Amino acid sequence: GQNIDQPTEMTATEGAIVQINCTYQTSGFNGLFWYQQHAGEAPTFLSYNVLDGLEEKGRFSSFLSRSKGYSYLLLKELQMKDSASYLCAVMDSSYQLIWGAGTKLIIKP
Amino acid sequence: GAVVSQHPSWVICKSGTSVKIECRSLDFQATTMFWYRQFPKQSLMLMATSNEGSKATYEQGVEKDKFLINHASLTLSTLTVTSAHPEDSSFYICSARLAGGQETQYFGPGTRLLVL
Repeated sequence: GQNIDQPTEMTATEGAIVQINCTYQTSGFNGLFWYQQHAGEAPTFLSYNVLDGLEEKGRFSSFLSRSKGYSYLLLKELQMKDSASYLCAVMDSSYQLIWGAGTKLIIKP
Repeated sequence: GAVVSQHPSWVICKSGTSVKIECRSLDFQATTMFWYRQFPKQSLMLMATSNEGSKATYEQGVEKDKFLINHASLTLSTLTVTSAHPEDSSFYICSARLAGGQETQYFGPGTRLLVL
């Protein structure tokens, strides 16, 4: 079966760095997405990785290793507004998005 | 760019009534739109994939006669929840994929449905 694993919840301090991991097992691979979802709101797109390596976008970076079925989202200089759920999703061979359950990130002052 | 709107954002209705939710891509054409449902503290659940001009593809366990999807144009898809019941109360979110090969899905703001 297809499976996306990410931690249920993480806590970090304002100003610090946090890494949210995602491992996946899917039927084929056509890219991995990270989305941010604030409580009561729809997800917003953060990043897309289809090749191995690190993609940096401001305070957020996303890394992919296809051979290991592994990705992480790195958030630097954490702000209180970064408190949200972070969803990892993988596009399989039929271009279906397989969603992880999300990681709830709690930022403390 | 890549803005998706949904209307209405909130619906409260009586059990047995039908509710229509609209999803529009405002500044791009979307050959494919997706409808998701999300229950509190749970992840997104794909309900159906909607392709412009053809019948929607429903996920296993989703009743196509209950959740009617119409994708009449490249910028509009609608989801109608027919004969809604309290267990249909949920957060319904649409997303749209850009025509022309980009795989990123852009989400609408969601519609919160409460069936009394």
